[in-house]
Amino acid sequence: GAVVSQHPSWVICKSGTSVKIECRSLDFQATTMFWYRQFPKQSLMLMATSNEGSKATYEQGVEKDKFLINHASLTLSTLTVTSAHPEDSSFYICSARAAGPQETQYFGPGTRLLVL
Amino acid sequence: GDSVTQMEGPVTLSEEAFLTINCTYTATGYPSLFWYVQYPGEGLQLLLKATKADDKGSNKGFEATYRKETTSFHLEKGSVQVSDSAVYFCALIVSGNTGKLIFGQGTTLQVKP
Repeated sequence: GAVVSQHPSWVICKSGTSVKIECRSLDFQATTMFWYRQFPKQSLMLMATSNEGSKATYEQGVEKDKFLINHASLTLSTLTVTSAHPEDSSFYICSARAAGPQETQYFGPGTRLLVL
Repeated sequence: GDSVTQMEGPVTLSEEAFLTINCTYTATGYPSLFWYVQYPGEGLQLLLKATKADDKGSNKGFEATYRKETTSFHLEKGSVQVSDSAVYFCALIVSGNTGKLIFGQGTTLQVKP
């Protein structure tokens, strides 16, 4: 299957700093990328959908100024957690899709964020 | 709205036992159905999928059949291994929407030697 990478795989930061997470599709062009958040022993919560070259669409309750998403190319999307706080600590997972809405989404390995 | 319901876990089995994880769905359109697996500390991997009624998805000994009449997509494996221990997520995409995946709550499988 297609490969999606995330970087970094884990990060520890101080409260108040910003953290950028990269999501790359390595062997296909991703017209759409999704960002999820997962709390321990829970399912994935969709945060936002990003289409290349356009603004991200955020799910209800997700602060767009807090979680900045940029999808600058067909192989790269970034999620920046601005002014991170301990409650932002979580496992962040991206997924990428090649074309239409029925196409399979391929998931990255996830980034574990710990805010001290 | 559209939703996915999975059997609650954890499911604990002995090696070589038969596995069934139930999944039922509610959807207004004609969904594609998926099973994803998440190993500890990792992201999700697509395990199998089915895009229309009566399709059977299969991979690595796992199978699931798209049953429209019962709105189900139960995951089965004839003989589980310790390495199958993971969290399994059933999910759907409804035709015509933005392609958002709707996940079930996940079922933890633990296989003991």
